[in-house]
Amino acid sequence: KAGVTQTPRYLIKTRGQQVTLSCSPISGHRSVSWYQQTPGQGLQFLFEYFSETQRNKGNFPGRFSGRQFSNSRSEMNVSTLELGDSALYLCASSLSVGEGADTQYFGPGTRLTVL
Amino acid sequence: GDSVTQMEGPVTLSEEAFLTINCTYTATGYPSLFWYVQYPGEGLQLLLKATKADDKGSNKGFEATYRKETTSFHLEKGSVQVSDSAVYFCALHSYNQGGKLIFGQGTELSVKP
Repeated sequence: KAGVTQTPRYLIKTRGQQVTLSCSPISGHRSVSWYQQTPGQGLQFLFEYFSETQRNKGNFPGRFSGRQFSNSRSEMNVSTLELGDSALYLCASSLSVGEGADTQYFGPGTRLTVL
Repeated sequence: GDSVTQMEGPVTLSEEAFLTINCTYTATGYPSLFWYVQYPGEGLQLLLKATKADDKGSNKGFEATYRKETTSFHLEKGSVQVSDSAVYFCALHSYNQGGKLIFGQGTELSVKP
């Protein structure tokens, strides 16, 4: 079974621009979560989507948004980029219910650099 | 709220040494506990998990036991290899927190030949 895939792997943007990151979950997984990883703040939860609905949201400004499609693929968008948005953005997928629903499997991440 | 605390790194060991990375947690309810590993330039890989008290998770020679009485989930390996050099993250999954993972700050392990 293929793992979680994320595209692109690397992005360089300038302040004020916006960016869209994509995530394809493991086949059969309907829940997708996004995390931001930085050296200073560590791993922080952004949001979780299930069945095209945002089910949970972390403490990030409204510039960070996401969505999920009917095939469970997810995108996250960051508008009006700031230097502090430079980070590794990780997507994780999991089963939505039942045994193993607590276990998240991560993609390789998208490295975003804001200049 | 729920939280995870890991021993600070970096930890430097010689090959074949014994490894312990301490992890303690604070949680209401009964979280599931995880160890993830991150190799340079990569995402997180699930290393092992435990879902209830006294469960032992194990994988690739690594072990961790869910200790509710001490709220701990320490990672151990009897004999580390150079290839084990990575950053290790302890995490908990709590439905009380809406199902997200809460991570410790990570512990960098460096194994020298």
